[in-house]
Amino acid sequence: GAVVSQHPSWVICKSGTSVKIECRSLDFQATTMFWYRQFPKQSLMLMATSNEGSKATYEQGVEKDKFLINHASLTLSTLTVTSAHPEDSSFYICSAPGTGSYNEQFFGPGTRLTVL
Amino acid sequence: AQTVTQSQPEMSVQEAETVTLSCTYDTSESDYYLFWYKQPPSRQMILVIRQEAYKQQNATENRFSVNFQKAAKSFSLKISDSQLGDAAMYFCAYTRDDKIIFGKGTRLHILP
Repeated sequence: GAVVSQHPSWVICKSGTSVKIECRSLDFQATTMFWYRQFPKQSLMLMATSNEGSKATYEQGVEKDKFLINHASLTLSTLTVTSAHPEDSSFYICSAPGTGSYNEQFFGPGTRLTVL
Repeated sequence: AQTVTQSQPEMSVQEAETVTLSCTYDTSESDYYLFWYKQPPSRQMILVIRQEAYKQQNATENRFSVNFQKAAKSFSLKISDSQLGDAAMYFCAYTRDDKIIFGKGTRLHILP
């Protein structure tokens, strides 16, 4: 089956620094990938749609300059949290749609970000 | 706008018993997909079952089955012979095209 990886699985950084999270589709190509944020005991909140070869589409209320998304290739999307603050601490998950007819999303294992 | 509602924040079921998780959704589209995802403590999202809206037959995957009522916009998940490994957060989800919308989730506890 389709596999999506994320790196790193967890990261701790100081306030004011930037952190990059990678999302890779390992055995399939993805022209579109999605980034979610999940707070403890809550659901996944869609942050943005990453589009290969074009700008990302952000959901309402998500700061474009805070969360930079780059879809560098058909297998890689990156999320950079710029000038991170403690309130940016969260669990970030990416997903990519499969190539079959079921519209299924394949999810990465997530990245836990802690900003001190 | 599409919304997904899960009215049961938490549920408990005795091991080997059957439990049903509720989900309703709101959409004006006629062609879409519905999913149930499981998120165990590892937090990896795992697909449990999928349903295409144009199919009237309810989807079944081993111990997991759905009751899809398109007119009522209802999509409940039934877990039969509950096992300890079924303990997790369960998210109902709607998708059309590629974007997926999740409900708030139901935490399922399995009582030994």
